[in-house]
Amino acid sequence: DQQVKQNSPSLSVQEGRISILNCDYTNSMFDYFLWYKKYPAEGPTFLISISSIKDKNEDGRFTVFLNKSAKHLSLHIVPSQPGDSAVYFCAAANDYKLSFGAGTTVTVRA
Amino acid sequence: SQTIHQWPATLVQPVGSPLSLECTVEGTSNPNLYWYRQAAGRGLQLLFYSVGIGQISSEVPQNLSASRPQDRQFILSSKKLLLSDSGFYLCAQSGGTHSPLHFGNGTRLTVT
Repeated sequence: DQQVKQNSPSLSVQEGRISILNCDYTNSMFDYFLWYKKYPAEGPTFLISISSIKDKNEDGRFTVFLNKSAKHLSLHIVPSQPGDSAVYFCAAANDYKLSFGAGTTVTVRA
Repeated sequence: SQTIHQWPATLVQPVGSPLSLECTVEGTSNPNLYWYRQAAGRGLQLLFYSVGIGQISSEVPQNLSASRPQDRQFILSSKKLLLSDSGFYLCAQSGGTHSPLHFGNGTRLTVT
């Protein structure tokens, strides 16, 4: 049962432009949402999170938006840099457990 | 800050052999500990989590088991590996609810 879905397996963006990654969830009990970045053969690295009481959280080039009514969150990366090329996972938490999406592979073109 | 140690980094095991993966955490006390698996081309699947010594919750029925003999030690085991156990195994820890998980660098397990 996939409770967190990332429907775009890949995204290609030009350096300097905005990257927008999307994520949908089905469980209305989720109250904490996160984005992770992962390079091959490494563990995921935490990027940014948002509580369900907010609709936006910003940290440098990364902004996460939450639309609870639509059960949708997105990650904006502005401007995109070559080092941003990686797999990005969204995750949603209910109590102690995090459920992850399948990931979106981002490629930043020079 | 916390550090998560996982070993080995890679492992090749024959079908039917036992498995023991160890994870230790430094720089924090009484962490919540997790085992996740990433199969090829797929997302992260939660296998086990633990909120304290000896307390293990299993998320997916399978031939794997987990134990937490000490506060900062989490072990993933199997008595007999299956081909389907191949994957990238990740240990993670968090400080509690509404805290991000921090992951180790993982173990790439190939069952042949």
